[in-house]
Formats: sequence, C-alpha cells, structure tokens
Amino acid sequence: DQQVKQNSPSLSVQEGRISILNCDYTNSMFDYFLWYKKYPAEGPTFLISISSIKDKNEDGRFTVFLNKSAKHLSLHIVPSQPGDSAVYFCAASPRGGSGNTPLVFGKGTRLSVIA
Amino acid sequence: EADIYQTPRYLVIGTGKKITLECSQTMGHDKMYWYQQDPGMELHLIHYSYGVNSTEKGDLSSESTVSRIRTEHFPLTLESARPSHTSQYLCASSDPVIASLETQYFGPGTRLLVL
Repeated sequence: DQQVKQNSPSLSVQEGRISILNCDYTNSMFDYFLWYKKYPAEGPTFLISISSIKDKNEDGRFTVFLNKSAKHLSLHIVPSQPGDSAVYFCAASPRGGSGNTPLVFGKGTRLSVIA
Repeated sequence: EADIYQTPRYLVIGTGKKITLECSQTMGHDKMYWYQQDPGMELHLIHYSYGVNSTEKGDLSSESTVSRIRTEHFPLTLESARPSHTSQYLCASSDPVIASLETQYFGPGTRLLVL
C-alpha cells in the first residue's frame, strides 16, 4: 500500500501561471516532507522541504504547504517557467530518533509548462 | 549540497556480463542509497547503507549486490546482466544533522541497457 501518493500523473500549465502539485500521505508518523525535481536521464534534485512543525515554507518561486490534519501537502510554483517542466517527486521521512528509515517517495507528477 | 558522482553515465552491455556501477560522494555522508527507476515510473529503493560494512536490501527485490568498504564509495554489482535489468540506477547520500530531517542528495544516475 502506497504511503505517499501523487494522484495526478501529469499536469500542464501555461507559462507565467501558478503550478500546484499535490501529495497525500497515509502514515501519521511522517514528520518531514520533501519535493524533488527530476529531468530525464538525470538524478532528482532537492527542491524544498518542510517539517511538520510548520505549515508553510517558501523559497523563491517555490512554496510548500502542509496540512497535517488532512495529511496533504502541495508545492506551488509561481510564476511557472518552461524550465520547470520535469517530474516532481514528493517524499516523506518517518519520525524516529535514530533516523534509520529511508525516505518514502511518491510516484511523481510530470509537469509541463507551455510557453 | 552533496557532491555525488556516478560512473558510467550510460552503459550498453550484453546479457551475461558482470557489471559494476560506481557511486562516490565527497561529503563524508554516512548514509547511501541505490534506487532503480524505469522511465515514467516511481523510484524503487533497492539497497541502502548507514555506514561502513553496513548494507540493507530495500523495498524492491534486486539481483544486484552492494558493498560499503569505504564511507565515500558504494558500488553496485550485477554478476550476470539480463535485459530485465535495463533501467536507470540512481545513487544518493545523506547525513542529517537532525536524525529525523532526512534530505537525500542524488547523483546523475547510470542508464543501463542490457541487450
């Protein structure tokens, strides 16, 4: 059973508009969440993260929102640019003192920004 | 951000050959990971290591093996390559200051084609 779900496999947005990528999780033990961006034939690049003690984290054009009660997070990209076209992965880290549990990744959402 | 390297970037090889995919990082990270990703599909964790002489199997069963003799080096070996091993292999490392804040940094990946 998938613990991190990205239910939209793809999303198309016009350049300059807002892109909103969604992610849901089922495990209440997750307390740290990350977004990665991946171009074809390259490794994922870390974008932004958020700890469960916050509900928003912003870095330039990228903002991540966390709704713990709904077990939902979203990544907002404003304004969207053609170079943002990539696959975006949501990932979550379980709470644990030793930190000895790997990240859990979603299946990814392919974002296409149309000029 | 971690400096993490993978070689080769691309490999085309015949069935039955033994191959080793190299992964090195220069940040002194204790934790290292191998993921397998088919085009358009999710990341599957196949191996991880939390330090020298420590290796664990990931969520996806894999015929590959790994070793961790040095902190900076985490090679993956396939004793006898088969077409079903054709995929992209991604290496990552992490060393969270706070155990529960697990940010992984990825290498560029190795794209393997077994004929």
